[in-house]
Amino acid sequence: GQSLEQPSEVTAVEGAIVQINCTYQTSGFYGLSWYQQHDGGAPTFLSYNGLDGLEETGRFSSFLSRSDSYGYLLLQELQMKDSASYFCAVRKSWGKLQFGAGTQVVVTP
Amino acid sequence: GAGVSQSPSNKVTEKGKDVELRCDPISGHTALYWYRQSLGQGLEFLIYFQGNSAPDKSGLPSDRFSAERTGGSVSTLTIQRTQQEDSAVYLCASSPPGGGAETQYFGPGTRLLVL
Repeated sequence: GQSLEQPSEVTAVEGAIVQINCTYQTSGFYGLSWYQQHDGGAPTFLSYNGLDGLEETGRFSSFLSRSDSYGYLLLQELQMKDSASYFCAVRKSWGKLQFGAGTQVVVTP
Repeated sequence: GAGVSQSPSNKVTEKGKDVELRCDPISGHTALYWYRQSLGQGLEFLIYFQGNSAPDKSGLPSDRFSAERTGGSVSTLTIQRTQQEDSAVYLCASSPPGGGAETQYFGPGTRLLVL
């Protein structure tokens, strides 16, 4: 079958580090994207891994291991504004993304 | 510059009616995507356009759903004979030339409620 698995919710305090794991089983794989979505808002692009390894963008980093069908998003120095849903998405073809169900990150003071 | 815009922002309709949802992508973006998102769920791929062509429409749930794009710009998603299960947020996204699906810029969505 085809699936993406990510935790439904993660809670952490301000200043902490959070890792959101994403495992996938899919036919067709170009790479793994990450999107952030605040309640009632539009998804916004965070990061993309087309190759194995770590991509760093400010406080956020993303990692991919194709051999393990696994990736993660790392959120460092958590801020209250980071409270949102985070989606991993497999790029299955040139134009098609398959999204996971999302991980709700709750940041507490 | 302007982002992706969608209209209407909210639509309430009666079961059995047809609805049209509009998407204006970012100027110059050649690829355009439609998704559906139910409450608390992930995004469900519907269709994507490259220019005016739709290489992949595999996500359209039934033949009641159709989409077109004209002039390489505006796109319309049409749902005929709406059903209550069509209630969701319909999101549109676009990406620039040379880019693939990995980096998409989303509009605010159209919230559709079928009574």
